[in-house]
Amino acid sequence: AQSVTQPDIHITVSEGASLELRCNYSYGATPYLFWYVQSPGQGLQLLLKYFSGDTLVQGIKGFEAEFKRSQSSFNLRKPSVHWSDAAEYFCAVGALFGNEKLTFGTGTRLTIIP
Amino acid sequence: SAVISQKPSRDICQRGTSLTIQCQVDSQVTMMFWYRQQPGQSLTLIATANQGSEATYESGFVIDKFPISRPNLTFSTLTVSNMSPEDSSIYLCSVAGTNTGRYGYTFGSGTRLTVV
Repeated sequence: AQSVTQPDIHITVSEGASLELRCNYSYGATPYLFWYVQSPGQGLQLLLKYFSGDTLVQGIKGFEAEFKRSQSSFNLRKPSVHWSDAAEYFCAVGALFGNEKLTFGTGTRLTIIP
Repeated sequence: SAVISQKPSRDICQRGTSLTIQCQVDSQVTMMFWYRQQPGQSLTLIATANQGSEATYESGFVIDKFPISRPNLTFSTLTVSNMSPEDSSIYLCSVAGTNTGRYGYTFGSGTRLTVV
């Protein structure tokens, strides 16, 4: 069965510092990987996605993620965080053509300190 | 990608009543998914809805509690029946399918339900 692990429940970083959120997945076929962000009281916004090709993918808001098949990881990074990045971040894995459900990790809550 | 209109955006309901949530998509989609996000938790799939067939429910979710309709390729409803405070959650619909391209799995803005 597919699964996603986000080992960090809560991360606090200073504004302007770099960020890395960890995500490990388990999936029987070629994974279709996503990062979503959810601000308080808001819906889910897609940050980026990966299916194939370049293992370093660029997303919105200055985020990037790197797919490492050998480590079953898809970590999210940002070189310099802004106060507006404070939110909940979810990693998810699904099938390419959407014929399977998305499986979400438990999320990582990001707090930004001045 | 597809655009989803989900209604209502929020509601406060009395225990024992039912609420029907609507999900309208601006294009035809193959599969629609209904998720629940309990307070402070991640998203859990309730069921998968294909047009013209019965919804497929995940373990722990039953049709009597969460009946789903999928009358066509652009619309679905989820009803939360006989509500209790434990049903207070955000409910989200999501769509996927080749007609949303490889960039599928679009989400609605969610329905924030509070049961009192």
